[in-house]
This record gives sequence, C-alpha cells and structure tokens, in this order.
Amino acid sequence: NAGVTQTPKFRVLKTGQSMTLLCAQDMNHEYMYWYRQDPGMGLRLIHYSVGEGTTAKGEVPDGYNVSRLKKQNFLLGLESAAPSQTSVYFCASSWTAIQPQHFGDGTRLSIL
Amino acid sequence: QQPVQSPQAVILREGEDAVINCSSSKALYSVHWYRQKHGEAPVFLMILLKGGEQKGHEKISASFNEKKQQSSLYLTASQLSYSGTYFCGTGGSEKLVFGKGTKLTVNP
Repeated sequence: NAGVTQTPKFRVLKTGQSMTLLCAQDMNHEYMYWYRQDPGMGLRLIHYSVGEGTTAKGEVPDGYNVSRLKKQNFLLGLESAAPSQTSVYFCASSWTAIQPQHFGDGTRLSIL
Repeated sequence: QQPVQSPQAVILREGEDAVINCSSSKALYSVHWYRQKHGEAPVFLMILLKGGEQKGHEKISASFNEKKQQSSLYLTASQLSYSGTYFCGTGGSEKLVFGKGTKLTVNP
C-alpha cells in the first residue's frame, strides 16, 4: 500500500523557471493538502482541496497554483520560481478535516 | 491564526517525563498531534475533539481544554525513539493550522 506518493523527491530550479509537483494517494481520501516547511516555521498550508474539482487557498498561497482534476491526484504548480520558494514541500491527505492526515515523504526544492 | 507551542525545545534523559503545550487564540474544534523525525515526514499521533477528552497512545497521552483553548501532550517515561519535533494542529471544518513545533531530544 503506497499511501501518499510525491514526485519528484528533489529538484533544483533557476529563478523564473516553472515546475509542477505531483501528489498521488491511493486511499480514496477526499481531502488533500499542500504544505511548505521552512526551518523554525512549522508546516504552513499553501492550498488544499476538499474533493475532486475543488481547491482553496491556505495561509501562504501566493506564487502557487493547484489543480485536482482527479480525486487521487493533487498538483502544485510554480509558475515563475523565486528563491523565497526554496523549501521542503509536503503533500497530505485525509478522509475529513478531523481524520488523521497521511503525509508523503516530501519534495526538497531549491531555487537558485 | 497559528497556535503557540511551548516549550520550543526540551532535552530529557531516557525515562524522564515531558509536557508540551499548545495554545490558540481562537476557539478550537479539534487538536491534532504529529511527530516528525529529522528528514522524515510528520506522523500522526492522535486527535482530540472538543469535550475535554484525554487520549493515549503507548506512553503518550494528551488532553484538550476547550474553555482554555489549550491542549497538552504528555510523554511518560520517555524512550530514545520519542526524539523528534512535535507539532500541534488546530482544526476547523476543512483544514489545520500547525504550530511551529517543539523539538524533543531524549538522551541515554
């Protein structure tokens, strides 16, 4: 049982480049989340989705876009990467907001 | 609004106890606790819903005081495996807001 899978695991980008991070879950969860984790800041919510075709902004949405075209996938896009977006990105999924969140292993993204 | 965790860091010897607190300025519907080891993903520990219940997981338990808008995580007779960063997340109807974490180090 794979759980939550994030692709890629590592990536280095140049300022201004674009990329998409993929999150896939095989637990049929309705809710999916994208977080970024920076030293000393905890986990900050970027965007989330409460079901297929829905998305909503979290605490730090600027510079990111998301899509949830299929229930099992949640994509996070950076249109024009900036050094301030250097971070570790975690995807998570859950049945509802009051059920445990299952996290992927993270994507380490560096922007030069 | 981000919940406040205290202390920011704590160092224990194996077998000692610790308490980690999580406070919010907003009314709490639920409190989630996760543990993250260095270089790994956060792992779920427990959820508490409003009602002042207490839950346990191995030698780790937690309480939730709805009136004080606080939750506390109790680690009893700590083991080396308890080392990591503990996060509380306070929940609404759709999402969680996580605190900045408490780094726990357990030494032999």
